[in-house]
Parts: sequence; C-alpha cells; structure tokens
Amino acid sequence: EVQLLQSGGGLVQPGGSLRLSCAASGFTFSSFAMHWVRQAPGKGLEWISLISNTGADSFYADSVKGRFTVSRDNSQNILYLHMDSLRADDTAVYYCQGGAWGQGTMVTVSS
Amino acid sequence: EIVLTQSPGTLSLSLGERATLSCRASQKVDNNFVAWHQQRPGQAPRLLIYGASRRATGIPDRFSGSGSGTHFTLTITGLEPEDSAVYYCHQYGSSPPHSFGQGTKLEI
Repeated sequence: EVQLLQSGGGLVQPGGSLRLSCAASGFTFSSFAMHWVRQAPGKGLEWISLISNTGADSFYADSVKGRFTVSRDNSQNILYLHMDSLRADDTAVYYCQGGAWGQGTMVTVSS
Repeated sequence: EIVLTQSPGTLSLSLGERATLSCRASQKVDNNFVAWHQQRPGQAPRLLIYGASRRATGIPDRFSGSGSGTHFTLTITGLEPEDSAVYYCHQYGSSPPHSFGQGTKLEI
C-alpha cells in the first residue's frame, strides 16, 4: 500500500524557519517526482513545489520562491520542505503528494 | 502559468444521479496531464483520476475522467452519500508552475 507519512509543522514566529518531512513507503520512491501542496484555512489547494525523481531539478511557485527549499533522500525514501522567512500568509496545511497524498501537517505562523 | 477554471462552483444532486464536473484550462495542457482529486470535509485530498482518464488504484468505476486539450470532465455515476466532497482538477503537464482549479463542491 502506498503511504506518505508526514511530520514536522507547528507554530512558528514570523521570520522563523521550519522543516517538513514526508516518509514514503509502498512504492519505488526514487522513480517518482514529488510535489508539495498547501491549503490555507477555508481555501483551495495551492501547488507550491516540485522535485524531480533524482532530486536534480526543483521548481517553486512564485509565492515561496527564494524562501522554501525542497529536497529528497532517495536512500531513506524521505521528501523534505525547508521553509525560511515564514510569513503569516504561509499559514496552511501542507501536503506532500506523489500520486497518493500525505495526511497533511499544519503550519501556523504567528507571534 | 495555466489557469484552471472549474464549474459549477457548487452542485446539488440526489442519490443515484450523475454528476458532471467541468475543468477548463487557459491554454492547452501538455500530454493531457490532468488529475482529479476528491477532498472530503476534514480529510486530506485523494487522487481519483490521472492522465485525464486513468483511474487511480482502488477508485470505483463510478468515477471517470475525459477530455483533452483545454477542456476536461469528471463524471460520477450512481451518486452515493460518501461522494459529498470538494473536487479539484490539477494540471501537471506543462513546465512548472503547476496549478489547481478552485474546486467544485458536490452536495448529495
């Protein structure tokens, strides 16, 4: 069974940093590109990042470019999202997605 | 960036009826790389359809996707109570940024 198990998230002050993790199982992780998607409270889904299967290429939405960094460890089957310079409008549930979806993790940016 | 517009915004139907959800792209989606995701209240989204018409593993054949180019459709037949959800189309065909539609809320 394909599973994406997320960890990380929580409450952080504006300007702070946070790292999200997404542990994959049940499929050949290294064969698939992976996405990060977020959903602000009461809003729709927003695509924010893509990383190629090898990790050689990564792409970002303008809203997070220069502040967020996606990476992956194919030896451990883990996807990461490192978030810097966090702002109030980054408050959202963050999902990893690669076919299946992770369970989501809440990130709240507030003082 | 490709903008996806979903219609209708809300769809109210009865048990057993057929739902037809539309997704229009502002430009052609390469390789018809459009997916549909279902999000029930309080839950993470779930992949239903990828490549415009391929059902994901474990998705019942009541769900079907069709379309090409700039117009895509999700059809759900024999509506059941658990189909009440928000449905999002998602294009991943072009070079990033990828994008989601704004969602269609289906009420049974």
